[in-house]
Order: sequence, then structure tokens, then C-alpha cells
Amino acid sequence: KAGVTQTPRYLIKTRGQQVTLSCSPISGHRSVSWYQQTPGQGLQFLFEYFSETQRNKGNFPGRFSGRQFSNSRSEMNVSTLELGDSALYLCASSFGDREGETQYFGPGTRLLVL
Amino acid sequence: AQSVTQLDSQVPVFEEAPVELRCNYSSSVSVYLFWYVQYPNQGLQLLLKYLSGSTLVESINGFEAEFNKSQTSFHLRKPSVHISDTAEYFCAVSFSGNTGKLIFGQGTTLQVKP
Repeated sequence: KAGVTQTPRYLIKTRGQQVTLSCSPISGHRSVSWYQQTPGQGLQFLFEYFSETQRNKGNFPGRFSGRQFSNSRSEMNVSTLELGDSALYLCASSFGDREGETQYFGPGTRLLVL
Repeated sequence: AQSVTQLDSQVPVFEEAPVELRCNYSSSVSVYLFWYVQYPNQGLQLLLKYLSGSTLVESINGFEAEFNKSQTSFHLRKPSVHISDTAEYFCAVSFSGNTGKLIFGQGTTLQVKP
């Protein structure tokens, strides 16, 4: 079974631009969660989508948004990029229908904002 | 408040020595506990998890962790480490009622020296 895939793997943008990251979950998984990893703040939860609906949301500004498609693939968008948005963005997938399920992580997209 | 604390940011240890990586959490609801490992330039891989039942859980590569409800801890141990165990280790908690959301500790870098 193929794992979680994320595209692109690396991205360089400038301040003020917007960016869209993509995540394809493991086949059969309906939940996709997004996390931001930085040296200073560590791993922080952004949001989670289940069956095309945002089910959980972290404490990030509205510039960070996401969506999920009917095939469970998910995208996250960051508008008006700031230098502090430079990070590794990880997505994780799970079946999503029971508490305590294991989340399986992709390799991440490394975003550099100049 | 729900939080996760990893008490050590770095743990240096010699090869074949035992190691313990500490994790404590704060919660007023039921929890599900995980340890993930991250190798350089990779995503997170599940090491082991505790959902219910026996408080001692083991992984296939010799790590074990014990859930202690009274001390709200989930420390990770290995009796004899190898060079290949050098990585960053993250304790994560899923709180009941928050399916799809993991709260991570700050991470512990395990440095195994020859």
C-alpha cells in the first residue's frame, strides 16, 4: 500500500505571495491532518479534514486554510506569506472514524519564504 | 489545559547503554499516547502507542514505554541503544473528543555515540 505523499517537496516563495500544498492520503483513509514544524515552535496542529469537512482546527491565523476533495486528497493554502511561515509542513492520514487511531505521516513540504 | 512536555531537549548516550526519554502530559479527559521518531529530512514514523489495556507497550525494534496514569507520564525506554537510533523522538497525545488532532511535545534529540 502506498504511503502518504506530499507535493511539492520543496518550495521557495517571497513575502506576500500565496502557496498551495497538496497531500494524498493512504488509500481508504478519510482523515487528513496538517501540521507545521519549526525549530522554535516545534510541531503544531493546523487543522484536520474528514469526509470533506473541517472537523478540528488549531490556533493559526485565517491566512492558513485548507480543503479536502471527494477522493480524500487535501490541500492547504497560505495567503500573504510571512517570513515566519518558513517551515516543514507535514500532513498525516488515518481512517478517522475512531479515537486514538494512528496517524501516518508524509515526508513533508519544506517551505522557505524570502 | 491540555499539554505535552518532553523534559529533555537532547540526550547524549553511548552505544549499548540504556536510555530513557521522558514525556509528561496534562489533561482532564482520557488520552491516547504515541511516540514518533523522525530521522533527518524525513516525516514522522510511529514507534509505539498506548490506547488501553496493559500499561507497558513495546515496539518491534526494542523500545518500550509505560503509561503511568497517576504520574501522567509515558516515558520511552530502550535497554541498549545502537548508533542507528540517533534521531529526534516526539511524544504525542490525542485527547478524547479531538479525533484527528495530535498535540506534540517539543521533541528529544537522541545522540548515540560510539
